[in-house]
Amino acid sequence: AQSVTQLDSQVPVFEEAPVELRCNYSSSVSVYLFWYVQYPNQGLQLLLKYLSGSTLVKSINGFEAEFNKSQTSFHLRKPSVHISDTAEYFCAVSRVQGAQKLVFGQGTRLTINP
Amino acid sequence: GAVVSQHPSRVICKSGTSVKIECRSLDFQATTMFWYRQFPKQSLMLMATSNEGSKATYEQGVEKDKFLINHASLTLSTLTVTSAHPEDSSFYICSFVSGANVLTFGAGSRLTVL
Repeated sequence: AQSVTQLDSQVPVFEEAPVELRCNYSSSVSVYLFWYVQYPNQGLQLLLKYLSGSTLVKSINGFEAEFNKSQTSFHLRKPSVHISDTAEYFCAVSRVQGAQKLVFGQGTRLTINP
Repeated sequence: GAVVSQHPSRVICKSGTSVKIECRSLDFQATTMFWYRQFPKQSLMLMATSNEGSKATYEQGVEKDKFLINHASLTLSTLTVTSAHPEDSSFYICSFVSGANVLTFGAGSRLTVL
C-alpha cells in the first residue's frame, strides 16, 4: 500500500517570500506523484505531476517540485509567492500499475500575508 | 478544460433520512470515476471506484449498502447516503478520469446530519 505524509498542516508566509511545502511518500512499488491545489470553494485542480523523465517538474504559475527517489520526497517550491497562491495543497501518489487511483496526504494550508 | 459539476454544495438532513449527491462531467466523458470523503483537517479518503455500467468497487471499511453509487452514464454519477447518521457528516468529493493520469474533481458536498 501507499501512504503520503505532508509534514506541515499550515504554512504562513509573507508575499514575495519563497515557500516549500514538504511531501514524503511510502510505497513498495513504483509510483507517480502529484500536487493538487484547492482554492476556496473550488474543486481540487492538478498543479503538477511526475510520471517519468526529468525529476524536476514545473507548473505554469511558477511552482516546481522535485522527485527524490532516495529520500522518497516530492517537495513543492515557489521562489516568490503571491496573495493568489493562498490555498490548500495536496500531495498524492498513485501506483504506476492502476495509476488512476490516488492516495492523498493530509494537505497543507498555505496562507500568504501581505 | 475539463469541468465537473457537483451538487449540492451543502446539505443538512435529519438522522435516518437519505441524501443524494450528484456529480456530472460537463465537457467530457469518463468511464471511470472515484468518490472521496474528507474529514476536517484530514486527508481525502477513497471510498469507491466506479466504472460506467458496472457495480462500484468499495474500499475496505466502506459500507456499500450505506453509500450507494450509481454510474449510469459516462457523464453522471450519484452517491446516495442512506439512513444517514451524524457520523456520516463529512465532505464528499467526486472525480472523473479526464485524461491519462489526470483526474478532474468536483467542488465537493458538505453533508451535515443532525
